[in-house]
Amino acid sequence: AQSVTQPDARVTVSEGASLQLRCKYSYSATPYLFWYVQYPRQGLQLLLKYYSGDPVVQGVNSFEAEFSKSNSSFHLQKASVHWSDSAVYFCALRSSNTNKVVFGTGTRLQVLP
Amino acid sequence: DMKVTQMPRYLIKRMGENVLLECGQDMSHETMYWYRQDPGLGLQLIYISYDVDSNSEGDIPKGYRVSRKKREHFSLILDSAKTNQTSVYFCASSQDTQYFGPGTRLLVL
Repeated sequence: AQSVTQPDARVTVSEGASLQLRCKYSYSATPYLFWYVQYPRQGLQLLLKYYSGDPVVQGVNSFEAEFSKSNSSFHLQKASVHWSDSAVYFCALRSSNTNKVVFGTGTRLQVLP
Repeated sequence: DMKVTQMPRYLIKRMGENVLLECGQDMSHETMYWYRQDPGLGLQLIYISYDVDSNSEGDIPKGYRVSRKKREHFSLILDSAKTNQTSVYFCASSQDTQYFGPGTRLLVL
């Protein structure tokens, strides 16, 4: 069975600091991986995705993520956060042979000015 | 402009009433989804639809049913709503990447 774990329910950082949001997955084959962001009272918006190839993927708003098969991880990173990055971030996995997507429980990011 | 719409955005119902949540997409995507989102649980898949009249249960289908008579519309129906169905419901459609609607906040009293 496939699963996604986001071990940090809340992360607080100061504006301008670097950021890493952790995501671990469980899946027998190589998965399709996604990071989404959700702002208050809105739906989820795609930040970036990994299907294959270069394990470092670039996304919108200078976010990037690195896929590690050995660690079963897909951590999200940003070099310098802005207060407007405050939101909830979801990691998700889609199996390579179905359209079913499994989401982590989300990490609420608070950026202090 | 790629868009997923949901109606209504907010809904208050009494226990035992029927509920209809509507979702539309303008991208001709074959696959559509209904999720519910509850604090601390992330998104839970209720139903997935692979095309017109081709629907499959997700992880938490009990108490829900769906209807997809046109590719661009996917409805979620709660027959005799229960208080534990109070939640935020999201619809999504996908070709490979999911596009989400803005959500419907349902309160069942």
